[in-house]
Amino acid sequence: EPEVTQTPSHQVTQMGQEVILRCVPISNHLYFYWYRQILGQKVEFLVSFYNNEISEKSEIFDDQFSVERPDGSNFTLKIRSTKLEDSAMYFCASSGHTSGNTIYFGEGSWLTVV
Amino acid sequence: SQKIEQNSEALNIQEGKTATLTCNYTNYSPAYLQWYRQDPGRGPVFLLLIRENEKEKRKERLKVTFDTTLKQSLFHITASQPADSATYLCALPSGSARQLTFGSGTQLTVLP
Repeated sequence: EPEVTQTPSHQVTQMGQEVILRCVPISNHLYFYWYRQILGQKVEFLVSFYNNEISEKSEIFDDQFSVERPDGSNFTLKIRSTKLEDSAMYFCASSGHTSGNTIYFGEGSWLTVV
Repeated sequence: SQKIEQNSEALNIQEGKTATLTCNYTNYSPAYLQWYRQDPGRGPVFLLLIRENEKEKRKERLKVTFDTTLKQSLFHITASQPADSATYLCALPSGSARQLTFGSGTQLTVLP
């Protein structure tokens, strides 16, 4: 079964450093997402991406964050100048064209900011 | 503002029994509702989607109901097994329906 793959699975970074989390969505999907989950808390929406641009973003997704689809397969989340409170599991997800279609999540990238 | 509540943080049941999990929502009129399973340290895994015009949906040992009047969904696992132990998340579309809002989840433990 096709799956969303994410790298790295775990990253430790110094506060103030930039981090790039990488994702390969399912190949025939058109919508891409990033969610995050702080330890012990809910899964929270960050951003959705369609047709090479952001279609929606939450209040969490401020100027510190950016997304990019640099080629036909990868989808990245960049966090500039990381803060301690950015420590969380970041999930990439993708879905097909029809509204309400299943969203498939990757296994996550665990980011620890020290 | 939109709010999703799942009945309890933790639910323990005996193997073979039916587990029933509840998802209540307010200030929503969702076109559909989804249930996901999440194991510790893993990403959510889609289980079932039920649309507003469907009262019930089944998949193997899973059954979901959706009552738009009560603003509630029930998620049942029949003949539960220890392997069903996980956190189950209710999710509703928001924004332009491409954004999911998740409940806090119910941690189910099936005791052998």
